Amino acid sequence: DTEVTQTPKHLVMGMTNKKSLKCEQHMGHRAMYWYKQKAKKPPELMFVYSYEKLSINESVPSRFSPECPNSSLLNLHLHALQPEDSALYLCASSQVRDEQFFGPGTRLTVL
Amino acid sequence: SQQGEEDPQALSIQEGENATMNCSYKTSINNLQWYRQNSGRGLVHLILIRSNEREKHSGRLRVTLDTSKKSSSLLITASRAADTASYFCASYAYKLSFGAGTTVTVRA
Repeated sequence: DTEVTQTPKHLVMGMTNKKSLKCEQHMGHRAMYWYKQKAKKPPELMFVYSYEKLSINESVPSRFSPECPNSSLLNLHLHALQPEDSALYLCASSQVRDEQFFGPGTRLTVL
Repeated sequence: SQQGEEDPQALSIQEGENATMNCSYKTSINNLQWYRQNSGRGLVHLILIRSNEREKHSGRLRVTLDTSKKSSSLLITASRAADTASYFCASYAYKLSFGAGTTVTVRA
């Protein structure tokens, strides 16, 4: 299985809602990542988990809360988001330093 | 946290022609990677070149790396309509930092 899956594909939420994005891989990768991508821009790194521990937080606002329950799963909990947080959220996994395998993304719209 | 620049920003070519795009980065790296992204979808890894390598080939792709100039290039030969996509270079130091991307359109 060489696939990274992400759910949901699309998410619309209000500014007072709490929602979660989910990501799963079964390639035995030890690093997992969350990226945010705005239209016509490159992906921007948000968080890195290495061996299930948070190793990089790119000064992301606390309304985004990552969680790595086990080596195959990565969640991103969302709370009190702003309209400017609307974007494509991409999950990726890799062996450390090697090529990253990306999921198809969750298209998030904050109203 | 975008680290590099890419040029051109956009490229339109005829099917069968070659496409070349360039990337520059700012700091010392462990490796440099190229990714393709079709409209609004996930990224697909194309090729990785390590800092001690100068050139690498994979199918119709050729990548060069010049660490003295902190630059890389991606050549796609004999382009096809299916190559229409955005292409990103990404330099890896302790994390992956993406360039701005080149949008390639291959006309049939």
